[in-house]
Amino acid sequence: NAGVMQNPRHLVRRRGQEARLRCSPMKGHSHVYWYRQLPEEGLKFMVYLQKENIIDESGMPKERFSAEFPKEGPSILRIQQVVRGDSAAYFCASSPPGLLGSEAFFGQGTRLTVV
Amino acid sequence: AQTVTQSQPEMSVQEAETVTLSCTYDTSESDYYLFWYKQPPSRQMILVIRQEAYKQQNATENRFSVNFQKAAKSFSLKISDSQLGDAAMYFCACEYGNKLVFGAGTILRVKS
Repeated sequence: NAGVMQNPRHLVRRRGQEARLRCSPMKGHSHVYWYRQLPEEGLKFMVYLQKENIIDESGMPKERFSAEFPKEGPSILRIQQVVRGDSAAYFCASSPPGLLGSEAFFGQGTRLTVV
Repeated sequence: AQTVTQSQPEMSVQEAETVTLSCTYDTSESDYYLFWYKQPPSRQMILVIRQEAYKQQNATENRFSVNFQKAAKSFSLKISDSQLGDAAMYFCACEYGNKLVFGAGTILRVKS
């Protein structure tokens, strides 16, 4: 049973370009969470998705950021017109339905560098 | 807003000795879960131990145990018989609704 798979592991973008980060949850998990880790900080919640639904996006910046989890395929975190401040590690986690008390399994993250 | 505070940016321990990492949190929920995650240089987030708030008994996983003080909203991690492989960043987290709120982390260094 493969774990949570994120790709790419490293992504370099120039300012103004778009970044697309992919996350394939563990088999049998229908819930996906995205977190951002800035240097020297803990992980900050961004968005919680189920298949075809955004459940909680309270941690998403209002502009340039979007996320989806289609019926087929991986979850995508999209950052448009990237700026240097978007440089961070982005982690995806998945869980069975309902996180409360369940273990959220994390991917290895995508390190985004904006130059 | 829910907050999780780790007041020790960095800790050191001698191999084979015991170290305690501190964590406090703030919540108005009556039922919630608390976690300690380990993040080695590979960046993989690894669950170390989990505590259910309604359980008074402190959770234990091999060399890792917690001291959960619900009234004080304190959740410290004790690592016994420290090993070189324990060196990592440790994050305390509290589950609120459907999200985990993390502390800023404590770097643990293990000296041989």
